[in-house]
Amino acid sequence: DAMVIQNPRYQVTQFGKPVTLSCSQTLNHNVMYWYQQKSSQAPKLLFHYYDKDFNNEADTPDNFQSRRPNTSFCFLDIRSPGLGDAAMYLCATSGSRREEQFFGPGTRLTVL
Amino acid sequence: ELKVEQNPLFLSMQEGKNYTIYCNYSTTSDRLYWYRQDPGKSLESLFVLLSNGAVKQEGRLMASLDTKARLSTLHITAAVHDLSATYFCAVVFGGSQGNLIFGKGTKLSVKP
Repeated sequence: DAMVIQNPRYQVTQFGKPVTLSCSQTLNHNVMYWYQQKSSQAPKLLFHYYDKDFNNEADTPDNFQSRRPNTSFCFLDIRSPGLGDAAMYLCATSGSRREEQFFGPGTRLTVL
Repeated sequence: ELKVEQNPLFLSMQEGKNYTIYCNYSTTSDRLYWYRQDPGKSLESLFVLLSNGAVKQEGRLMASLDTKARLSTLHITAAVHDLSATYFCAVVFGGSQGNLIFGKGTKLSVKP
């Protein structure tokens, strides 16, 4: 089955220790998104890639970076995680910018 | 400003009862989505509504869209415990890059 996969599902890191979250997709979609969702809140878009074109949301902190080495993979790097970065991180993909987005299972990040 | 407002934010209902969740948005939209989220899980797509007057039904859930009123509704018929979850509406605004703007979510609890 075509799908969106996120690894790891649970990540524990220490305050200030860099961490990388991974997303892969077998849907061959052009667009990949990263969302942050804090407890009891709606998902918040951090950035997205349209093919290799990177689009950062204006209010995404510089602490968050992303890489997309090929169509299938996209990474979220948090350079110096703070306690406030503890959240569920959701990856989504879509065929084009205006098409339905399909979400992966998410990575739950804990910062100690 | 692009806004999506859901109400109610919390809904406790008894099994067998009917209820409606409302989603208002602030400006012209291309499309509207309804998602379900169980605790600790990712987003599951329920409905995609693309045009004025669109109505879609799946089991005990029915979603509709009135683009003139900028309003979508998610109607629950004869609720059962398994419907307990948080429901989000999300809007793609016309002229945007296709980014989803989410409502705050409605946390539904169905009690026996």
